[in-house]
Amino acid sequence: DAGITQSPRHKVTETGTPVTLRCHQTENHRYMYWYRQDPGHGLRLIHYSYGVKDTDKGEVSDGYSVSRSKTEDFLLTLESATSSQTSVYFCAISERVVPEKLFFGSGTQLSVL
Amino acid sequence: GESVGLHLPTLSVQEGDNSIINCAYSNSASDYFIWYKQESGKGPQFIIDIRSNMDKRQGQRVTVLLNKTVKHLSLQIAATQPGDSAVYFCAEKKLYDKVIFGPGTSLSVIP
Repeated sequence: DAGITQSPRHKVTETGTPVTLRCHQTENHRYMYWYRQDPGHGLRLIHYSYGVKDTDKGEVSDGYSVSRSKTEDFLLTLESATSSQTSVYFCAISERVVPEKLFFGSGTQLSVL
Repeated sequence: GESVGLHLPTLSVQEGDNSIINCAYSNSASDYFIWYKQESGKGPQFIIDIRSNMDKRQGQRVTVLLNKTVKHLSLQIAATQPGDSAVYFCAEKKLYDKVIFGPGTSLSVIP
C-alpha cells in the first residue's frame, strides 16, 4: 500500500474513552488525509494536512482532531469516542500534482461499544 | 442501479464478459473524475482518471466515458476477470480542491 502504515489495524474501545489512530508514510508526500468509510456513505473526509503543523477540516470533522508534527506521521484523535464513530478509518497520501492520485493505507477497523 | 438505504448497488457479470459501472456526479464544475477500486479488506486503489474536457479515456482493459450533459460517468472493464471483483468508487475533484467520493458499486464476477 504505497509505503503507508496504519496502526492499530483493529481496535475495540468503550464510549467516552480517547482513541488515537496513527498513519505513517515513507513516501515523503506532502498531503495526508483521514477518511472514514461507512456503508452507504462511501468515503468521507475527516481532516487533512498540507504540511507539518498545517491541517484543515473535512466534511465530517466534528468529534475528531489531528496532528502532524513530522512529514511522515499524521495522527487522528477521538477525544471521547462515541458509538457513531464506529467505522473503518483510512489514511491517504498524495503529492497534489495534477491529476491528484490518492494512495490509501489498509485501514483501521474501530468499534466503539 | 440506485443505492437504497445502506446497500451498495451490485453488478454481477460472467467471467469474460464486459462490465459497465455507472456513476452520476453532482458538481458540473469538477475538473477531474477518477475511478478507484477497493478489494475486500484493503484500501481503495487508483484505476484511471479523466479530465472534464475529455469524453473518453482508455487504460489497460478499462475505459472511462464522461457525459457532461447528463453528469454521468462510466467505467467499462473488458473481459472481466475474477480479480476484478471489488467495490468501485467514482470520485470528482475541482483543481486544488478535495476529492469527493461517490457511494460505490460492488462488482461480482461469476466464474
